[in-house]
Amino acid sequence: RKEVEQDPGPFNVPEGATVAFNCTYSNSASQSFFWYRQDCRKEPKLLMSVYSSGNEDGRFTAQLNRASQYISLLIRDSKLSDSATYLCVVNAGGYQKVTFGTGTKLQVIP
Amino acid sequence: NAGVMQNPRHLVRRRGQEARLRCSPMKGHSHVYWYRQLPEEGLKFMVYLQKENIIDESGMPKERFSAEFPKEGPSILRIQQVVRGDSAAYFCASSPPAGVSSEQFFGPGTRLTVL
Repeated sequence: RKEVEQDPGPFNVPEGATVAFNCTYSNSASQSFFWYRQDCRKEPKLLMSVYSSGNEDGRFTAQLNRASQYISLLIRDSKLSDSATYLCVVNAGGYQKVTFGTGTKLQVIP
Repeated sequence: NAGVMQNPRHLVRRRGQEARLRCSPMKGHSHVYWYRQLPEEGLKFMVYLQKENIIDESGMPKERFSAEFPKEGPSILRIQQVVRGDSAAYFCASSPPAGVSSEQFFGPGTRLTVL
């Protein structure tokens, strides 16, 4: 089993739609979780951290399910500018190194 | 506070030459990571360094690749005798000291093309 697993997509959704991505991780000792966004030919940028209680930032909601070892990202009211690859990132518990998923590609269509 | 800086942004080398990629972490960051990304693929971890120490190089090819993070100056990723398969984007990231956060901040990357 991969350390961090994501559906590569692509997810093609119309503007205004709600879309959700899941990401599973294998190390039960993982403590820190993040969603990054990567635009084509650019560097990854932090979108949001994922807290145990779940967190929301505008149209974006991230949730953590420790029992099932997955995190999710929900995007409401999709915009064209949301088109990007979304990377799930997991810290290997007490160690600075993190593991990146291969990313889920989102294409928002007019 | 300047972000993570990488140079050069683009590097062209012929097969057999050496490539040197530089990374200056964010101010106050003591951890540096190097990743490689092939076209249409995900980020692959290569090496994790702190000042003057290699902490984890499990993602580095055993031959031709080396990395350092000296006491003074930027971190260097060195690729000797480059081959066409080394063509990729190489990203450097830095993070604050342990216990603060494991969030990583990325530089703009160096795009290496091997002719």
